[in-house]
Amino acid sequence: EDQVTQSPEALRLQEGESSSLNCSYTVSGLRGLFWYRQDPGKGPEFLFTLYSAGEEKEKERLKATLTKKESFLHITAPKPEDSATYLCAVQARYGGSQGNLIFGKGTKLSVKP
Amino acid sequence: DAGVIQSPRHEVTEMGQEVTLRCKPISGHDYLFWYRQTMMRGLELLIYFNNNVPIDDSGMPEDRFSAKMPNASFSTLKIQPSEPRDSAVYFCASSNLRGNEQFFGPGTRLTVL
Repeated sequence: EDQVTQSPEALRLQEGESSSLNCSYTVSGLRGLFWYRQDPGKGPEFLFTLYSAGEEKEKERLKATLTKKESFLHITAPKPEDSATYLCAVQARYGGSQGNLIFGKGTKLSVKP
Repeated sequence: DAGVIQSPRHEVTEMGQEVTLRCKPISGHDYLFWYRQTMMRGLELLIYFNNNVPIDDSGMPEDRFSAKMPNASFSTLKIQPSEPRDSAVYFCASSNLRGNEQFFGPGTRLTVL
């Protein structure tokens, strides 16, 4: 069964304190791994897509990396405006749910000034 | 483009009533997805359409749920009769290709009393 597990569930950081969020997955052939940001009361907002192990993508203070079993979202010198829930999703190449996005439950990040 | 539009943003109804949620996808996007988000289960795919045709409805929880897409710019998700356990945030998303990133609407928060 395709599955996504995110850790930690919640993370509190001080402004400027770098850290990483983890997304572990099992999938019937990975077509793509997606990172989204969700602010309270809003829909998820697309951040990155990663397709193969070793791939990395960056956007401002965020960098996403991918291995064959997990992905990390590294946050460098975070600011309070980075506070949000970060969702990871995988898209399977094979099986009954192929092509669908399977989401993890997210990591709620709080950055204090 | 205004992005994905959903209405209403909030809906409070009583058990047994019919509920209709509406979605307008981004113009030019051929894929439309309906998701449900709860604290317990996270974000789950209910059904998706390609070129207005329902492709995978395996996530629809019960026969009480139905979805239609009469044209490329409009879709509805209907619950009849509604039950308290249907309380959740319902999101609509669209994309231009099956494997590409999905763009989410702001969601409809449904409360069934």
